[in-house]
This record gives sequence, structure tokens and C-alpha cells, in this order.
Amino acid sequence: ELKVEQNPLFLSMQEGKNYTIYCNYSTTSDRLYWYRQDPGKSLESLFVLLSNGAVKQEGRLMASLDTKARLSTLHITAAVHDLSATYFCAVEAGTDKLIFGTGTRLQVFP
Amino acid sequence: GAGVSQTPSNKVTEKGKYVELRCDPISGHTALYWYRQSLGQGPEFLIYFQGTGAADDSGLPNDRFFAVRPEGSVSTLKIQRTERGDSAVYLCASSLAPQNTIYFGEGSWLTVV
Repeated sequence: ELKVEQNPLFLSMQEGKNYTIYCNYSTTSDRLYWYRQDPGKSLESLFVLLSNGAVKQEGRLMASLDTKARLSTLHITAAVHDLSATYFCAVEAGTDKLIFGTGTRLQVFP
Repeated sequence: GAGVSQTPSNKVTEKGKYVELRCDPISGHTALYWYRQSLGQGPEFLIYFQGTGAADDSGLPNDRFFAVRPEGSVSTLKIQRTERGDSAVYLCASSLAPQNTIYFGEGSWLTVV
């Protein structure tokens, strides 16, 4: 059974600082997603990573995938308050479903 | 509309009652998914439709839960004899085809009292 673990679960960081969220998964998968969720809102797709060594960047967020280590990272550069949200990684199990991590709740303060 | 639409956005029901939650996927999307998200947790897979058929219903927790998609577009998640433990946000998602990017709706927040 595919398991997905994220850490940290909570992250409080100062504006301007850098940090990395980690996502480990237990079995081989073809793709990995990163989603953002604001309180009371749905999931916004940030990145889809399809292959080993894939790296994608959008603004202050950069995601990477190491399929051999079964590890993905979401790196935050020079955090700003608008990035405060919960971030989920999700790994594709077969062709029909995503297995989500427990989420990382990020709070950026001045 | 441009996105996945779900109704109702909020539903409060009494224990033991029957509930229906509706999902309108993005137009043209053949794959439709239902997930359930409890407070402080990540979404959990319930069921996946490809077209009209349920291709994978392995996530449905028990036989009180049932979902249909009779014309391959709108889907309804049905919960019988609701229990307090069913309280959660029920998220619907769709994708153009399997293994394409999955887009989520705003969810239906179900509270069973």
C-alpha cells in the first residue's frame, strides 16, 4: 500500500527566509503533484512532476522529484505572507487515484 | 462554468438521514473523482469514474456510500443512514483523461449532528 509522508507538519517562518518541505513516498509512482489549499477553499494545483530529476519553478516556489529516493521537495525562496497556506503532495497510485500526504501548514509572519 | 462545481457547499443533516452531494465536472472531462477530507487531514480517495462507469470504488468506506454518473458528466455521491463520523468535506475532481492534471472543486462541507 502506497504511503505518503510530509514533513514538517507545521512551519512558521519569517518573511524573506528560505525553507524546504519534504515529501516521501513508499512505492514506485509515475507522477507526483503539489497542491496548495487556503482555509475553507479547495486544492489549487501547483506542480506536476513526471520524471526523475524533474524540477519546476513558479515564482518563489520550486519543486523537484527524485524517484530513486522516492522523495520530492518544495522549496520556498524569500517567503512572503501570501504564501501562507497548507501544502499537500500527492502521489499517483495506479492510473486512477492520488494518495495525499497529511499536509504542511505554512505560516509566514513579518 | 470554468471549474468543477459542487452543490451544496454546506449541508447540515441529522444522524440517520440520507444525503446527496452533486458534482459538475469541467466540460469535456471524462475522468471524475470523489475524495473526502477530514479536518486537518489530506484528502482520501473514495471513487473514480471513467465515463459513466465506476472504474475504482475501492475507497468507499462501506455500503452506505454510493455514487453514480449516469450520463458521463454530472455525478452524485449518496450517503445513507448518515453517521457523525461522516462529517467531512467531500471534494469532487475531474481531469480530461486518466493521468492528466486533476482539478478539484470547492467541496461540499457535510456536518452530521
